[in-house]
Amino acid sequence: KNQVEQSPQSLIILEGKNCTLQCNYTVSPFSNLRWYKQDTGRGPVSLTIMTFSENTKSNGRYTATLDADTKQSSLHITASQLSDSASYICVVSAPGGSQGNLIFGKGTKLSVKP
Amino acid sequence: DTGVSQNPRHKITKRGQNVTFRCDPISEHNRLYWYRQTLGQGPEFLTYFQNEAQLEKSRLLSDRFSAERPKGSFSTLEIQRTEQGDSAMYLCASSHTGTGGDEQYFGPGTRLTVT
Repeated sequence: KNQVEQSPQSLIILEGKNCTLQCNYTVSPFSNLRWYKQDTGRGPVSLTIMTFSENTKSNGRYTATLDADTKQSSLHITASQLSDSASYICVVSAPGGSQGNLIFGKGTKLSVKP
Repeated sequence: DTGVSQNPRHKITKRGQNVTFRCDPISEHNRLYWYRQTLGQGPEFLTYFQNEAQLEKSRLLSDRFSAERPKGSFSTLEIQRTEQGDSAMYLCASSHTGTGGDEQYFGPGTRLTVT
């Protein structure tokens, strides 16, 4: 069964600290992996998208890594800010064009405290 | 263009009533998607359109749910005879299959509460 598992479920860090969120998936075949940021009560916003051939991709203070062999991805946030408080969702897609093949994780809820 | 918009942002209704939500995608985006998201969960795919054609429906989309995109622009999602289990955030997203690599852009969502 295609699944996307994220850990931790929630995380509290102090402003200015770094953190890393994990995503493990069993989706096969695999097309690409995306990380979204979702503020409370808002829709998800794309942070990064990586194909199976990419190992890392950065977007400002966000850096995503991908190991297609172990089916693991991580999202590293550097020098956290209060505005980083949100849920971070890992999404894996399979090839074939069917939009039902976007498999969403449950997200990691990050709280950045002053 | 300011992105995907959804209306209303919040809807409270009594069990058994019908509700309709609207989604306006980004101009020129030919694909439009509907998702449902409950608290603490990721979005779950409901259905999607390419232009005006509804190409796929999830098994989550019971016969009480219907979606339309009559002119290939905005879309509506109607829920008939609402149940308490329908309480959720309903998200709309749009994408363009040409430029942009089919990246989905999400709207702010409509939060439905069924009492």
